[in-house]
Amino acid sequence: EAQVTQNPRYLITVTGKKLTVTCSQNMNHEYMSWYRQDPGLGLRQIYYSMNVEVTDKGDVPEGYKVSRKEKRNFPLILESPSPNQTSLYFCASSLYPTVYNEQFFGPGTRLTVL
Amino acid sequence: EDKVVQSPLSLVVHEGDTVTLNCSYEVTNFRSLLWYKQEKKAPTFLFMLTSSGIEKKSGRLSSILDKKELFSILNITATQTGDSAIYLCAPDSNYQLIWGAGTKLIIKP
Repeated sequence: EAQVTQNPRYLITVTGKKLTVTCSQNMNHEYMSWYRQDPGLGLRQIYYSMNVEVTDKGDVPEGYKVSRKEKRNFPLILESPSPNQTSLYFCASSLYPTVYNEQFFGPGTRLTVL
Repeated sequence: EDKVVQSPLSLVVHEGDTVTLNCSYEVTNFRSLLWYKQEKKAPTFLFMLTSSGIEKKSGRLSSILDKKELFSILNITATQTGDSAIYLCAPDSNYQLIWGAGTKLIIKP
């Protein structure tokens, strides 16, 4: 089944404890992206990747890191999480890095930072 | 600065009613506008609009784009409780999607 998977789905952690949220797609998509979604603010892009080893900042990259060593994986790293990073996170992918292709979303990761 | 405004922010109607959701935008290098539906999970794709005046239709849902006036509307006819969701629009700007805050639609039985 074609899909985008994220792990973990739910995470409660404490300030300063490094964490990684994994994202994997099995559709051979070139483009992958991370969003956070907060009430009233919609989806805001954190980082995106046009292809392997190519990553760029989105609108809200502060406090996050990403890597794209393989086409299928695009992990999101929070080196030192803070409470303002409590949010719902979505990974998304599309076939090509152009918006003429729909983006497929993962199921979401709800992160709480205490 | 790129801007997307969806209205209304929330809407409560009864089953069977028809609703119109609005999305106005100001973005650079516009190419297309996408509509998504989000229930209690990840957004799912509804429509992609690239040309003015051409209606896209899928069952009871339809959408149209006006590139001159910079807006799009999403219509849902004969609403059902399963249509309850947040509807998101996202025009693109320089190959990146700019997301609106969404319209929360609640359908009462």
